Amino acid sequence: QKEVEQNSGPLSVPEGAIASLNCTYSDRVSQSFFWYRQYSGKSPELIMSIYSNGDKEDGRFTAQLNKASQYVSLLIRDSQPSDSATYLCAAANFGNEKLTFGTGTRLTIIP
Amino acid sequence: DVKVTQSSRYLVKRTGEKVFLECVQDMDHENMFWYRQDPGLGLRLIYFSYDVKMKEKGDIPEGYSVSREKKERFSLILESASTNQTSMYLCASSLGTGAKEAFFGQGTRLTVV
Repeated sequence: QKEVEQNSGPLSVPEGAIASLNCTYSDRVSQSFFWYRQYSGKSPELIMSIYSNGDKEDGRFTAQLNKASQYVSLLIRDSQPSDSATYLCAAANFGNEKLTFGTGTRLTIIP
Repeated sequence: DVKVTQSSRYLVKRTGEKVFLECVQDMDHENMFWYRQDPGLGLRLIYFSYDVKMKEKGDIPEGYSVSREKKERFSLILESASTNQTSMYLCASSLGTGAKEAFFGQGTRLTVV
């Protein structure tokens, strides 16, 4: 079983709708979680980090963490064509500086 | 802004060559990482360094070595390049001491022929 799992997609969402990206992790000691956006041919770019249970909002992005269910999600409100990219979920354990990445979900926003 | 710079955007090397990939960060970060990214396999950690001259193997270290002689620079070495090392190589750095957010360089697309 992979430590961080994501649905590879592709996920297609109409412009203006809410895109919901999901990630599960297997290691219960994971404490820090990150969402990266990667455009085709480019390197990953950090968009959100979350450490506590609940929601964290930043502009059109909301990260949600549920440690009991070992589940992290990213919501993108008012989706724009520029949001079309692969979204990578990553987790880190306490005392461990390494990130473990999922394989990413490809998101396409349809105009 | 954190800047992580990789020395080459594209490289083509021959089988058996020794290949050096260089990475420099300008934010005094403690940690530096080398990943490779392949379709369907995601990002896989090759090596990690948490201090000058310190290194730790990642998930796929075979066929690679690293060097960190200065804090800002982390080099990945392919001792004898093989075709299965054709990939996108990504360098990243993070502040350390609990701040785990990693920032990536632009990537090096390596083709071994």
